[in-house]
Amino acid sequence: NAGVMQNPRHLVRRRGQEARLRCSPMKGHSHVYWYRQLPEEGLKFMVYLQKENIIDESGMPKERFSAEFPKEGPSILRIQQVVRGDSAAYFCASSRGGGDEKLFFGSGTQLSVL
Amino acid sequence: AQTVTQSQPEMSVQEAETVTLSCTYDTSESDYYLFWYKQPPSRQMILVIRQEAYKQQNATENRFSVNFQKAAKSFSLKISDSQLGDAAMYFCAYRRWDNFNKFYFGSGTKLNVKP
Repeated sequence: NAGVMQNPRHLVRRRGQEARLRCSPMKGHSHVYWYRQLPEEGLKFMVYLQKENIIDESGMPKERFSAEFPKEGPSILRIQQVVRGDSAAYFCASSRGGGDEKLFFGSGTQLSVL
Repeated sequence: AQTVTQSQPEMSVQEAETVTLSCTYDTSESDYYLFWYKQPPSRQMILVIRQEAYKQQNATENRFSVNFQKAAKSFSLKISDSQLGDAAMYFCAYRRWDNFNKFYFGSGTKLNVKP
């Protein structure tokens, strides 16, 4: 029973490039959350998605960042035209939803922008 | 807005001894959940313990227990009989009862365990 799978584990991009981070939730989970962890800080909520719907994107920067969770396939967090300040660990988490507050985290993707 | 504060950036404990990590939070809500997560060097976020605000009884999970003081908005984690594998970053987190899994995390406490 695989947990939340994130890939890649490490991603290096140059300024101006695009970064795509993937997250496959646990089997049976239809709710996905993305969090960002800057160095020396706790995780900060970015976006909450269900299949084909964005439920809450109040933590997402207004520009360059987007997220999707298609009917088939993993959830994708996309960062366009990356800047050095985007360097962080990006965590995905999933839950069954329906009021179940048990949240399972992936191991994160460390994005480094050169 | 909800905020979670962990005032101890780093702590150390001798193996087999007890250590307490502090956490305070700010909220105007009466119903909510509080959590402690452990993050080892592997970066995996592991749920250690959870407390529902409406429960007066402090949660306990084996060697881990909490001291939940609702009026003081305090939620400390006590680790008894510390083991080398307990060394990690520990994050306190808050979640409103009705807000799915939108967590608010503290900045973390790094726990060192000395053999």
